[in-house]
Amino acid sequence: DAGVIQSPRHEVTEMGQEVTLRCKPISGHNSLFWYRQTMMRGLELLIYFNNNVPIDDSGMPEDRFSAKMPNASFSTLKIQPSEPRDSAVYFCASSLPLEPDTQYFGPGTRLTVL
Amino acid sequence: KQEVTQIPAALSVPEGENLVLNCSFTDSAIYNLQWFRQDPGKGLTSLLLIQSSQREQTSGRLNASLDKSSGRSTLYIAASQPGDSATYLCAALNTGNQFYFGTGTSLTVIP
Repeated sequence: DAGVIQSPRHEVTEMGQEVTLRCKPISGHNSLFWYRQTMMRGLELLIYFNNNVPIDDSGMPEDRFSAKMPNASFSTLKIQPSEPRDSAVYFCASSLPLEPDTQYFGPGTRLTVL
Repeated sequence: KQEVTQIPAALSVPEGENLVLNCSFTDSAIYNLQWFRQDPGKGLTSLLLIQSSQREQTSGRLNASLDKSSGRSTLYIAASQPGDSATYLCAALNTGNQFYFGTGTSLTVIP
């Protein structure tokens, strides 16, 4: 298996633009997690899905952030409009059913908002 | 809310030294605790997982301990090598299936 796939790997955009980050989990994994990593706050959970259904989105910082999982093999994290303080590395992770402690992380998307 | 702290934030040691990384957490009601390694520009790789009922886990030159009552975990690396240079993160998994990560310790092993 190719592991968790994220795209793009790097994104540079201007303030106010819409940004869409993509994630393909490992086949057979039914839990998907979105994290954000910054120097100041470390790695924080934004939202996670079980069987394509959002379970906990309490980590989503603002209404500008939204996440979807239309099917078991694809998820998006969208920021609209983007702001410079959204600059961070965004990680996606997936896990097998009933094994949330065994999460496999993607390589991350480094987002820079100018 | 669980808070996880790692000390030190950065550590530099000569090759061959044994070293200890520290992790503390505020809420002892954890499901387990994991240590991860993060290389620059890469995702996280799980190194060791300690269930809440366990005291320690070992894998090769790595040994992780857990003391739930004091809210502490340590990662011991024996005979460090330049290839061990990376950022090490600890994470507490609570009963709600949510990971709380520390901010990491950046380790540099000097040849």
